[in-house]
Amino acid sequence: DIQMTQSPSSLSASVGDRVSITCQASQDISNFLNWYQHKPGKAPKLLIYDASNLETGVPSRFSGSGSGTDFTFTISSLQPEDIATYYCQQYDNLPLTFGGGTKVEIK
Amino acid sequence: QVQLQESGPGLVKPSETLSLTCDVSGYSITSGYYWGWIRQPPGKELQWIGSVYHSGSTYYNPSLKSRVTISVDTSKNQFSLKLSSVTAADTAVYYCARHFPIGGPTGVRFDTWGQGTLVTVSS
Repeated sequence: DIQMTQSPSSLSASVGDRVSITCQASQDISNFLNWYQHKPGKAPKLLIYDASNLETGVPSRFSGSGSGTDFTFTISSLQPEDIATYYCQQYDNLPLTFGGGTKVEIK
Repeated sequence: QVQLQESGPGLVKPSETLSLTCDVSGYSITSGYYWGWIRQPPGKELQWIGSVYHSGSTYYNPSLKSRVTISVDTSKNQFSLKLSSVTAADTAVYYCARHFPIGGPTGVRFDTWGQGTLVTVSS
């Protein structure tokens, strides 16, 4: 299985801050990576697909980059409604696997 | 608007079979997507369980394959998960979700999810 290692596991930042999360794959996955936002009690939401493409309707403050084994997810200006846990997911090989998640909180 | 809703018992006894159903509304289950199950044990990461196409074609996570059956009922526009011989390790929030075909030209991304249902395995 391809292991997806996310860091940090949690972070605290102020409203308006730039926030970045990294996801490292245990092998080359090209750009076959997605990012999700998950708020407690709600359905997870797709934000970024194919490493850098913004899902329709998702605010432009969210972005993704990277290829191969190293990927970055960025919130350019953290908003209160962005409080959630964020996950990466690879689809280069089965089984589909997810990162451990990064919990984002407001300082 | 596509909506997915999981349903099933919230408590299952050890060694028994966990059974969940995902009702799909606002979209025909026969219209080209795959339909999957993902779970998240308390304090652990998301784990893909497997997926089914309306034709009945399935993909399973090898770590669970011997105990999992995912099926589709097109007449009811729903799909189901059965996980046999459960233990406490199967306690998790179970999600159903829609994704593009595996091996197709579009990447496998889960674009619509249910809210999840907690299943506890305990006697």
